Amino acid sequence: EVQLVESGGGLVQPGGSLRLSCEVSGFTFSGYWMHWVRQAPGKGLIWVSGINTDGRTTRQVDSVKGRFTISRDNAKNTLYLQMNSLRAEDTAVYYCAREGDPTIFGVGFDYWGQGTLVTVFS
Amino acid sequence: SYELTQPPSVSVSPGQTATITCSGNKLGDKYVCWYHQRPGQSPVLVIYQNTKRPSGIPERFSGSISGNTATLTISGTQAMDEADYFCQAWDSTTAVFGGGTKLTVL
Repeated sequence: EVQLVESGGGLVQPGGSLRLSCEVSGFTFSGYWMHWVRQAPGKGLIWVSGINTDGRTTRQVDSVKGRFTISRDNAKNTLYLQMNSLRAEDTAVYYCAREGDPTIFGVGFDYWGQGTLVTVFS
Repeated sequence: SYELTQPPSVSVSPGQTATITCSGNKLGDKYVCWYHQRPGQSPVLVIYQNTKRPSGIPERFSGSISGNTATLTISGTQAMDEADYFCQAWDSTTAVFGGGTKLTVL
């Protein structure tokens, strides 16, 4: 059974930092692109960042460039999101998500974690 | 930045057909995926590559695309289909989601 379990969320003041983790099981982690998607309370989904299979290629949405860093440890089956210089507008549930078969375009995010809540408040 | 536009809400009676649209510039040149999200739960992929259903997704869910508009159709809508629905496409290397449509089954 495929499982993605996020952790690391919590309360933080503006300007602070948090590191989110997503531990996966049930599939060959090193064979898939992985992503972070966030959802502010009562709002829609926003893609945050993605990373390729070996961790050498990363992508981010403009609003987090220079502040958030995605990484992965294939030996530990774990995806990370280092979040620095946090702002109130970063408050959201953060989901990790697996992108489907890497040999096929347009497969979407086929497995999602349960999410971890990040609250930035002063 | 690239945008996908969805209607904020759609209502449907049980057993009827619900249609949710998603429009974007040159969307017909991209692959569109659809997700549903029940309250308090994580999103679930229901359509990928415009028209394909992942295993475990009921046949009543179907997708299509014409021009710059993608459509999610739910035939024989059930109460359990009441949820938020999001379309998603890739703009170069950035994933973009539509704003979401709340489907109400009256």
